[in-house]
Amino acid sequence: AQRVTQPEKLLSVFKGAPVELKCNYSYSGSPELFWYVQYSRQRLQLLLRHISRESIKGFTADLNKGETSFHLKKPFAQEEDSAMYYCALAFTGANNLFFGTGTRLTVIP
Amino acid sequence: DAMVIQNPRYQVTQFGKPVTLSCSQTLNHNVMYWYQQKSSQAPKLLFHYYDKDFNNEADTPDNFQSRRPNTSFCFLDIRSPGLGDAAMYLCATSREGSSWSSYNEQFFGPGTRLTVL
Repeated sequence: AQRVTQPEKLLSVFKGAPVELKCNYSYSGSPELFWYVQYSRQRLQLLLRHISRESIKGFTADLNKGETSFHLKKPFAQEEDSAMYYCALAFTGANNLFFGTGTRLTVIP
Repeated sequence: DAMVIQNPRYQVTQFGKPVTLSCSQTLNHNVMYWYQQKSSQAPKLLFHYYDKDFNNEADTPDNFQSRRPNTSFCFLDIRSPGLGDAAMYLCATSREGSSWSSYNEQFFGPGTRLTVL
C-alpha cells in the first residue's frame, strides 16, 4: 500500500540557513510526488512537483527512487517560508493524493 | 478570481444531528474531492466526483455522503455526526485527470472546521 512519511512534525531554522524537509514514500509502482504548502491563514496549495523539475520560491526537490525519498530543500531560508509543508503522492490510475502528516517549518529571524 | 469556496468556514453541530458542508468552484473543473483532516494528521480522501461519477474510498464510513448537483457545487453530508468526526474538511478540485495522463494539480478551498458537541 502507498504511504508517505514525514518524520519531522516541527522544524526550526534561522533565516539564511539551509533547510531540508524530509519525505519518504512507499509505493511499488512509479509514483508522482508533490510538495504542498499552507501558509498561515491561507489554503493548501501546490508548491512543486517532481515531474516539472523546477525551482519554486528557491525550493527544489529531487525524487530518489533508490531511497524512495523526495526531500524538499532550500539553500537559504527566508522568514516568509514559515508554513506547513505536506509531501504527497499520486499514481497513475488514481486521481487522489496521499498526504504525509506534514512538517511545520519556522524560520527564526 | 477563479477559486474554490467552502461554506461555512466554521460549523458547530450536536452529536447525532445531521450536518451539510458545501463547496463551490468557479474553475469549471471536472473533478471535486472531499478530504477529512483531523488534528495533526494528514488530509485523508473521503470520496471524489469525476463529473457525475461518485468514487468512494473503501474506508470512508457510511455516515458520510456526498452530492454533486452540478459542476460547480458539491456537498458533504454527515448523517449522524459523532465526536470522532470533528475535523477540518477540505474540498478540492482538479481538471480532468485520467489514468492515461499526468496527474493534475488539485486546488483547495479554505476548509470548514467542524465541531461536534
